[in-house]
Amino acid sequence: DAEITQSPRHKITETGRQVTLACHQTWNHNNMFWYRQDLGHGLRLIHYSYGVQDTNKGEVSDGYSVSRSNTEDLPLTLESAASSQTSVYFCASSRTFEEGELFFGEGSRLTVL
Amino acid sequence: GQNIDQPTEMTATEGAIVQINCTYQTSGFNGLFWYQQHAGEAPTFLSYNVLDGLEEKGRFSSFLSRSKGYSYLLLKELQMKDSASYLCAVRDSNYQLIWGAGTKLIIKP
Repeated sequence: DAEITQSPRHKITETGRQVTLACHQTWNHNNMFWYRQDLGHGLRLIHYSYGVQDTNKGEVSDGYSVSRSNTEDLPLTLESAASSQTSVYFCASSRTFEEGELFFGEGSRLTVL
Repeated sequence: GQNIDQPTEMTATEGAIVQINCTYQTSGFNGLFWYQQHAGEAPTFLSYNVLDGLEEKGRFSSFLSRSKGYSYLLLKELQMKDSASYLCAVRDSNYQLIWGAGTKLIIKP
C-alpha cells in the first residue's frame, strides 16, 4: 500500500544543533508539505513543494529549509534548533494542485532543550 | 487577516448527535475541509465542501454557507471512537489551507 512515513518519530536535541526530519511518500504525489502543530494553534505551514526542484516558504518558514531532489522525499532541516521549535511536525502530500485532500505522515515530535 | 474559529472543546453522549461549528474569514475561498485527528495521531480527511449546502457521508455530514462564512460538521449516532479533535480548514485564493485550532470532542457513555 502507498504511504507517507516520517522519521524520526521522536527526537530530543539541544539548542543550536542542526536537525533533519525525513519525509518519504510512495503515493507518487507531486505536492508535499511540512506543518507544525502546537497547542492552541491550527496547523501552520512551514514549507511546501509542488514538484522536483520546487520549494516555497509557508507562513512560519524562518529557521527551516527544505529540498526536493526527487518525487518521494521532502526533508525538513532546522539549521540551528531553538526552543521555540519544540513542536509536533507533520509531513503531508496531495496528488494535484486542485485536490485539497492531504495525506499526512504519523508526525515527528521534536523537543529542543 | 485570515481567521478560522471553532470551539475549543465539546462534550456529547454516546448515541447522540453533535454539531461542531466553524466560522471563517479568509482571502478568497476555494473550499472547506474537515479532518479528524485522534490524540497522538495524524489528521485524516473527513469531508470537503465548495458549494453551499449539505454533504452527507454515512454518520457524518458537513454543511457550508459561503455568504455567512460558516460551516458545521454533524456527527450522528455518536460512538466512543468518535472522541477526537476535528479540524476545520479553508483553502484561500492562493490554494493554501488555513487551519482552525481544532475542536476536541469528548464522548461520554
